[in-house]
Amino acid sequence: AQRVTQPEKLLSVFKGAPVELKCNYSYSGSPELFWYVQYSRQRLQLLLRHISRESIKGFTADLNKGETSFHLKKPFAQEEDSAMYYCALGVAGNQFYFGTGTSLTVIP
Amino acid sequence: GAGVSQTPSNKVTEKGKYVELRCDPISGHTALYWYRQSLGQGPEFLIYFQGTGAADDSGLPNDRFFAVRPEGSVSTLKIQRTERGDSAVYLCASSRTSGGVGYADTQYFGPGTRLTVL
Repeated sequence: AQRVTQPEKLLSVFKGAPVELKCNYSYSGSPELFWYVQYSRQRLQLLLRHISRESIKGFTADLNKGETSFHLKKPFAQEEDSAMYYCALGVAGNQFYFGTGTSLTVIP
Repeated sequence: GAGVSQTPSNKVTEKGKYVELRCDPISGHTALYWYRQSLGQGPEFLIYFQGTGAADDSGLPNDRFFAVRPEGSVSTLKIQRTERGDSAVYLCASSRTSGGVGYADTQYFGPGTRLTVL
């Protein structure tokens, strides 16, 4: 069965420190992975997806099929990065499976 | 153009009542999705439309939930005989296409409707 696991519900880092938000997935087919972010009082918005291989707001994520992971990384956290982050798996038919989310707090 | 919009933003109702939640997708997006997000959880898939037809309603929890999209644009999620356990944020999303084999199209989300059943 398809599943997305985000093991950390809460994560706090100091400004300027590296940050990594973990995401593991379970899917027998070819996965499409996404990271969505929700800032305070705003809607869910796409941060990045693995096929575009972009760096958005300094964040990157690499799909590791061997470890079935899609961890989100940023070398130097900023205060404006404080938000809720959701990893999502897109499967055939465009059904998305979301993790439970990680709340990131960047301490000034 | 405008993003996905949802109305109302908040809905408080009493147990046993009927509610309708509306979603207006991004213009030109053919696919529309409904999700439910309970406290502390990620969005949970309910139903997805390709055009006017429900392509996948496997996430609807029971027959009290129903959704329509009669003209292939605006969609309404309908909940009959509401129960306290239906309290959640109901999210709508749309995508330009419904993806394909090995390809999932980006979904764009609305602000959600917070439903509270007393």
